[in-house]
Amino acid sequence: DGGITQSPKYLFRKEGQNVTLSCEQNLNHDAMYWYRQDPGQGLRLIYYSQIVNDFQKGDIAEGYSVSREKKESFPLTVTSAQKNPTAFYLCASNVGAGSTDTQYFGPGTRLTVL
Amino acid sequence: AQSVAQPEDQVNVAEGNPLTVKCTYSVSGNPYLFWYVQYPNRGLQFLLKYITGDNLVKGSYGFEAEFNKSQTSFHLKKPSALVSDSALYFCAVRGPTGGGNKLTFGTGTQLKVEL
Repeated sequence: DGGITQSPKYLFRKEGQNVTLSCEQNLNHDAMYWYRQDPGQGLRLIYYSQIVNDFQKGDIAEGYSVSREKKESFPLTVTSAQKNPTAFYLCASNVGAGSTDTQYFGPGTRLTVL
Repeated sequence: AQSVAQPEDQVNVAEGNPLTVKCTYSVSGNPYLFWYVQYPNRGLQFLLKYITGDNLVKGSYGFEAEFNKSQTSFHLKKPSALVSDSALYFCAVRGPTGGGNKLTFGTGTQLKVEL
């Protein structure tokens, strides 16, 4: 899991509530990513950021929002508009935008909507 | 668009036997290929990657992978499986260009190594 931390490890939310997942890295990486993992579906990209103060939607951005105010931090907010938010959320980073760069992952946050 | 297929949801192997986890890909241009492993309720750990050069890539924990351009495959292998290798394995691909340095992942293969 390297120098990427995610908190909390487990998160419970009531329907209709927004919740923010934390992701911090001390690897001095420029690019950061958020994925959602559901059983049997692999990893799906939610949002990514290649540089501070800039981010782009991934494949399943609806119902999520992000910010990138600092290089080391890329928080993800799961809003009440996300219809099925229960999942395992993974944050990742790589050093830059090169195609050969290895992507490293945090330990994940498991979100359960009650 | 780039894509990855892992045709087997689960692979069962006896400890000490060789193992293979299959992966095929589709991408425009030269592919950059990655293998990751995931243990329960953990993040993904990087095993190895193919960028260019030798088609046989060696990685962590005794794993290796063979790149085959004509078959568009990148199968993960290990000569002698251990019970501790039991985990979920993901293959991923990235093309030489494309926004955001995005990786595309397969759906994963559950490896079970039994005594």
